[in-house]
Amino acid sequence: QLVESGGGLVQPGGSLRLSCATSELTISDNYMNWVRQAPGKGLEWVSIIYSSGDTHYADSVKGRFTISRDNSKNTLFLQMNSLRADDTAVYYCARGNWNLLGDYWGQGTLVTVSS
Amino acid sequence: QSVLTQPPSASGTPGQRVTISCSGSSSNIGSNYVYWYQQVPGTAPKLLIYRDSQRPSGVPDRFSGSRSGTSASLAISGLRSEDEAEYHCAAWDDSLSGPRFGGGTKLTVL
Repeated sequence: QLVESGGGLVQPGGSLRLSCATSELTISDNYMNWVRQAPGKGLEWVSIIYSSGDTHYADSVKGRFTISRDNSKNTLFLQMNSLRADDTAVYYCARGNWNLLGDYWGQGTLVTVSS
Repeated sequence: QSVLTQPPSASGTPGQRVTISCSGSSSNIGSNYVYWYQQVPGTAPKLLIYRDSQRPSGVPDRFSGSRSGTSASLAISGLRSEDEAEYHCAAWDDSLSGPRFGGGTKLTVL
């Protein structure tokens, strides 16, 4: 069970920080992703943090979003800056990598970017 | 737009067999496992098939997956009304260092 929080309504150019907490697995031992889904659209991968701490981003968010984790709180974060209307989506955290992808998902948190 | 191509919609009657295709390229499906997810509106995706053809515990054997070259498919046999949902394919993409997803296929049980 992954539990996201932090979504809401934000103006274009604003910032938001999403959180993903769990008591069922150790975040730092796993590859953790953020995946988003715009209204009526398909899933889009946003970012990943490896167990090693390496991070990767989709081109659409590179330079604006930062993925991180707090090992002491067993929580994953997504810091989102310079938000645009096309960032509006439900954001999910999900475990996985190339060998096993998406066996754990959160319930999602809605981010709406609008003036 | 999505790099993995799925038909936007599919349909069948109860008891029928339906297949959903997913087409990619050498950097994703051509060299990495394919995953399938089932998503009921308003809920999170649920893993249906992993590593091309494996079913997680609890997924009925009516669901099966396959991969060949740069394409993959999901087959659902003995279609039931509760199978009505959106189905997404995904595969790791070596050029992205992350997964690519298809655009999703909305399955309607007539």
